[in-house]
Amino acid sequence: AQKITQTQPGMFVQEKEAVTLDCTYDTSDPSYGLFWYKQPSSGEMIFLIYQGSYDQQNATEGRYSLNFQKARKSANLVISASQLGDSAMYFCAMRSNTGNQFYFGTGTSLTVIP
Amino acid sequence: DAMVIQNPRYQVTQFGKPVTLSCSQTLNHNVMYWYQQKSSQAPKLLFHYYDKDFNNEADTPDNFQSRRPNTSFCFLDIRSPGLGDAAMYLCATSPTSGAAYEQYFGPGTRLTVT
Repeated sequence: AQKITQTQPGMFVQEKEAVTLDCTYDTSDPSYGLFWYKQPSSGEMIFLIYQGSYDQQNATEGRYSLNFQKARKSANLVISASQLGDSAMYFCAMRSNTGNQFYFGTGTSLTVIP
Repeated sequence: DAMVIQNPRYQVTQFGKPVTLSCSQTLNHNVMYWYQQKSSQAPKLLFHYYDKDFNNEADTPDNFQSRRPNTSFCFLDIRSPGLGDAAMYLCATSPTSGAAYEQYFGPGTRLTVT
């Protein structure tokens, strides 16, 4: 069975500082993808970053980077230079190479303080 | 721009009165998903289609039905809405199966049941 765990219900960060949002996962599939989505109060889910299980390097997309530690089954999101617009819910998700389902964590609510 | 469109953005229905939510996509993706999301929770997958192949989640109530008449459109029918069905309903697409493919979300329909 696939499972995603996000242990931080809420996080606060000072504007312009970096913040790490934790995500651990459990799967027996050898091939899988890990995703982070941002959901502002408007409700739309916005794709941020992707990491493949066989990727040797950590993914980066602008201010977002993914700290992937395969042996520990963790895929933490790092947001550098936080901005007020980063305040939102953040979901970690996983998709295996077989099947079409995405498995979501319970999310972390991030608040950026001016 | 290619996108996922959901109509309406806000829907109010009466207890027990059938309601249909619609989703369309211009991405020509094979996979379409319907999620239910309640406040401060992760999206919950209701069902998904791969082309015309329908996949129902085991815990999706019978009250929820879906139709996909063609590649572009997918509908969510709630036959007899209860107060507990008030939620955000998210439609998403994905190009095909495989761990590397992300989901593309629509803006969601917020359903209120009175």
